Amino acid sequence: DGGITQSPKYLFRKEGQNVTLSCEQNLNHDAMYWYRQDPGQGLRLIYYSQIVNDFQKGDIAEGYSVSREKKESFPLTVTSAQKNPTAFYLCASRPDGKYNSPLHFGNGTRLTVT
Amino acid sequence: AQKITQTQPGMFVQEKEAVTLDCTYDTSDPSYGLFWYKQPSSGEMIFLIYQGSYDQQNATEGRYSLNFQKARKSANLVISASQLGDSAMYFCAMWDTRITRGSNYKLTFGKGTLLTVNP
Repeated sequence: DGGITQSPKYLFRKEGQNVTLSCEQNLNHDAMYWYRQDPGQGLRLIYYSQIVNDFQKGDIAEGYSVSREKKESFPLTVTSAQKNPTAFYLCASRPDGKYNSPLHFGNGTRLTVT
Repeated sequence: AQKITQTQPGMFVQEKEAVTLDCTYDTSDPSYGLFWYKQPSSGEMIFLIYQGSYDQQNATEGRYSLNFQKARKSANLVISASQLGDSAMYFCAMWDTRITRGSNYKLTFGKGTLLTVNP
């Protein structure tokens, strides 16, 4: 079955360490997105990528980095510069072309930094 | 800049009754699209329904319908015949038509409404 795989589901790190969240899709979608979710905040866009080797900052990109070397993969690195990294992270993808195409989401990674 | 407002942090409904979840939006662009997603406690985001700004009719998908009032900039989700499995967070979202580098497409979300269906 096609879909988006985020791993791991739960991730624990010590403060000051960088951590990379995995996102893989086999939907052949061009665009991929990373959102952060905090309680009472809804989803906020971190980074997005329309095509391979290209990506743009979202609304809260500070302290994060991404790469898009392959169409299927869009890993997110949470760096030590991110002041409040503990959150639920959601990866999504979208087929190109139609504005009524919804985002397809992975099941998320819950990151806890202590 | 776009803005999505969901004014109801939480809503309660009895099983088998209908419920309306509110969503208002603010945009200066005449071309936009509105989505509703459901997020159960497990965390996944489930797409429910879409309404385009130029669509002539309100969108419907099974028990979900969208009460789209363009002049009032509202796109309320109506769930008919609520079921216990409808208990979840519900998010309204709008795609962004700002073009900065090519045809960018960003989805902006509201803060959500937690729906609880009581037996």
